[in-house]
Amino acid sequence: NAGVTQTPKFRVLKTGQSMTLLCAQDMNHEYMYWYRQDPGMGLRLIHYSVGEGTTAKGEVPDGYNVSRLKKQNFLLGLESAAPSQTSVYFCASSYSVGKRGQETQYFGPGTRLLVL
Amino acid sequence: AQKVTQAQTEISVVEKEDVTLDCVYETRDTTYYLFWYKQPPSGELVFLIRRNSFDEQNEISGRYSWNFQKSTSSFNFTITASQVVDSAVYFCALTTYAPQGAQKLVFGQGTRLTINP
Repeated sequence: NAGVTQTPKFRVLKTGQSMTLLCAQDMNHEYMYWYRQDPGMGLRLIHYSVGEGTTAKGEVPDGYNVSRLKKQNFLLGLESAAPSQTSVYFCASSYSVGKRGQETQYFGPGTRLLVL
Repeated sequence: AQKVTQAQTEISVVEKEDVTLDCVYETRDTTYYLFWYKQPPSGELVFLIRRNSFDEQNEISGRYSWNFQKSTSSFNFTITASQVVDSAVYFCALTTYAPQGAQKLVFGQGTRLTINP
C-alpha cells in the first residue's frame, strides 16, 4: 500500500498560471480532503469530498476548485494562481469505521507551491 | 465556532528532559474528538493519538502521554526523556462535522519542538 500520494512534490508558478494538484489513495477511503499549511497558521481545510462525484467547500475555498471523478483520486485546481496561494498543500483521506468520529485522516507527503 | 490554541510557538529542551505541549480547545459540540499529529523535518504528518470527549482517561504510549481535562478544555501532550528524534512540529486538532458526515479537522497553530543533544 502506497497510502496517500501527491503529485507533484514541488512546483513554481507565475501569477495567473493554472495548475492541478493530484491526490491518490489506495486505501478505498470514502472521504478525501485538501488542506493548506501556512507558517504560524496550522492547516486549514480548502475542500473535501464524501464520495465519488461529490465535493464541498471547507474553510478557505476561494481561488480553488476540486473534482472527484474516481473514488481514489481527488484533484485540486488553481485556475489563476496568486502569490497568496504560495503554501504547502496536503491531501488526506479517511473512512468511517462505523462510529462517527473514529475515522482517522491519513495525510499525503505534501506539495510545496510557490507562486511568483 | 471551533478553535484550537497552542500557545507555545517554540520549545527547546536538552535531550532526556521531559517536555509538555499545551493544547486548549473551544467547541459547543457535546461529542467531539481530539487529535495530535507530528510533523518531522521531512514534512509529512504522522498521526499520534485520537481521544473522544467521553473518555477522560489519560493515555500512555511508551515515552508519550496525553492528559485530557474536559473541565479546562485542554488536551496536553507530554514526552518523557525526550530524544533528538522527537524534534518536530506538533499539531493538536479538533473535529467538527459536515452535514454529510465528513470529519473536518480544525488545527492549532503548531508547536515547534527542538531537542538538543
